[in-house]
Amino acid sequence: QKEVEQDPGPLSVPEGAIVSLNCTYSNSAFQYFMWYRQYSRKGPELLMYTYSSGNKEDGRFTAQVDKSSKYISLFIRDSQPSDSATYLCAMAGGATNKLIFGTGTLLAVQP
Amino acid sequence: ETGVTQTPRHLVMGMTNKKSLKCEQHLGHNAMYWYKQSAKKPLELMFVYNFKEQTENNSVPSRFSPECPNSSHLFLHLHTLQPEDSALYLCASSQGGSGGVETQYFGPGTRLLVL
Repeated sequence: QKEVEQDPGPLSVPEGAIVSLNCTYSNSAFQYFMWYRQYSRKGPELLMYTYSSGNKEDGRFTAQVDKSSKYISLFIRDSQPSDSATYLCAMAGGATNKLIFGTGTLLAVQP
Repeated sequence: ETGVTQTPRHLVMGMTNKKSLKCEQHLGHNAMYWYKQSAKKPLELMFVYNFKEQTENNSVPSRFSPECPNSSHLFLHLHTLQPEDSALYLCASSQGGSGGVETQYFGPGTRLLVL
């Protein structure tokens, strides 16, 4: 079983839709959870960083962590074509500070 | 220049060639990383340097040889690569020294094709 599972997509939505991106994980020691956005031909850039369980909101983006279910989500409200990118979840904790990444979900927001 | 820069952006090499990838960070960080990103696979951590010392080698084949002459520069020397080494190679940096999980800042990557 992979430590982090993420549906690679692609996920295609119309402009203005609410997008839900998700990752599951198996290591209960993970405490740090991140979402990176990667545009085509660019490196990943940090979008959201949460510690332990709960929600965090930043503009149109909300990150949720449910440690009991080992499940994290990223919601994008009022999605825009400029949100079209690959979204990578990453997490760490326990015996190592090494970030473990998901495969990324390719999102396309259609105008 | 700002952030993390990488050169070259694209590289095509034969299996007998020797080439080097360069990374430079302008963020005043002390930790630098090399990752490999292949299609449909998660980012794979290759090497970590903290304050110029290698602190992680993630079982990377010896045909990849990293070098960190100072906290701002990181190189990846390549020799006798295989076609399966074709991928996007990403460099990242972080503050370093905290002992905890740090935010990593990525460069744009070098797209490598091995023929």
